[in-house]
Amino acid sequence: KQEVTQIPAALSVPEGENLVLNCSFTDSAIYNLQWFRQDPGKGLTSLLLIQSSQREQTSGRLNASLDKSSGRSTLYIAASQPGDSATYLCAVNYGGSQGNLIFGKGTKLSVKP
Amino acid sequence: GAVVSQHPSWVICKSGTSVKIECRSLDFQATTMFWYRQFPKQSLMLMATSNEGSKATYEQGVEKDKFLINHASLTLSTLTVTSAHPEDSSFYICSAPSGLARAGELFFGEGSRLTVL
Repeated sequence: KQEVTQIPAALSVPEGENLVLNCSFTDSAIYNLQWFRQDPGKGLTSLLLIQSSQREQTSGRLNASLDKSSGRSTLYIAASQPGDSATYLCAVNYGGSQGNLIFGKGTKLSVKP
Repeated sequence: GAVVSQHPSWVICKSGTSVKIECRSLDFQATTMFWYRQFPKQSLMLMATSNEGSKATYEQGVEKDKFLINHASLTLSTLTVTSAHPEDSSFYICSAPSGLARAGELFFGEGSRLTVL
């Protein structure tokens, strides 16, 4: 069974810290992996998309890495800010239907000022 | 990035009534859109794939007669929850791929929270 796990489920850090969110997946034959941000009661905002042939993607203070062999991806957030507080979701696409993403349950991040 | 809009953002209805949720791609055309459901503290789960001009494709365990999907134009897909019951209360969210974005990247609407009394 294809599963996506995110650890930790919740994380609280002081402002300015660098932090890492973890995502693991059971089947390494992925097509791509996407990181999203979800604010309470809101939709998903796409942060980074990593194709299976790539090892990392960067956007501003965010860096996502992908290691297919170990079934892991990490989202690195540099110099965290209170505005980064949200739930971060990792989703894996195994090909076939583009919309058939396997989502993790997310990591709820709280950045304290 | 591409913009996907959903309406309404929240709705409360009585048991037995039907509720329609709209999903629009605002700055691009989408021949395909996807509908998901998210129960509290659970992962988002794909319900169905909406195809412009043809029937939707439903995931296993999703009742097509209960969750009616119509994709009448290249910018609009609707999900109608028919004869809603309290167990249908959930967060429904749609997504669409944009041809302008990186291959495989999906853009999501703001979501619609349904509460059935």
